[in-house]
Amino acid sequence: DTGVSQDPRHKITKRGQNVTFRCDPISEHNRLYWYRQTLGQGPEFLTYFQNEAQLEKSRLLSDRFSAERPKGSFSTLEIQRTEQGDSAMYLCASSLRRFSGRTNNEQFFGPGTRLTVL
Amino acid sequence: QQQVKQSPQSLIVQKGGISIINCAYENTAFDYFPWYQQFPGKGPALLIAIRPDVSEKKEGRFTISFNKSAKQFSLHIMDSQPGDSATYFCAASMRNRDDKIIFGKGTRLHILP
Repeated sequence: DTGVSQDPRHKITKRGQNVTFRCDPISEHNRLYWYRQTLGQGPEFLTYFQNEAQLEKSRLLSDRFSAERPKGSFSTLEIQRTEQGDSAMYLCASSLRRFSGRTNNEQFFGPGTRLTVL
Repeated sequence: QQQVKQSPQSLIVQKGGISIINCAYENTAFDYFPWYQQFPGKGPALLIAIRPDVSEKKEGRFTISFNKSAKQFSLHIMDSQPGDSATYFCAASMRNRDDKIIFGKGTRLHILP
């Protein structure tokens, strides 16, 4: 399968625990995005990487959240001291950003990690 | 503030009918308007997209109509089928910047068999 993969697919944790999610983008995609989707809402942007550089973080991303993309390939999203309000689907997407020509730079989404904080 | 407003929240259409979902945006810097389809337990998948320099784009049974002056765009699904039952999101992004996608709140579409 050459699509975006995310692990785990489901995570149940107790309030106060730390959790880490992994995203493997499509090979050679240089941009990687994290979004959060709560029930009945559209996905909301959290952060994105250009290769290994984190270029933007949403104000939704509190200090308890940290994301990395150490070698410009896979990425991890860690939530420390989870709260019930963190319960959501965490989506990862990747794209190939070309800097010349007229391209769509389409983002391909993974299946998401559903987090439930008890 | 909500940058992309989508309506209706839910929609029921008879098989073979036309499904219409509407969206409005505020930021004139947006230059790419995709529609995503999402099935339960799956991530969103790109359905069709349009740039603001065209007023309509058609791909099979799916058509986007775009009104730049009104800052509105809509998705039309012709000959709607039960397999089209899903949640649809309109969205907007700035291709010359970060490409981050701003999504609407979604429309749950149900096609009656």
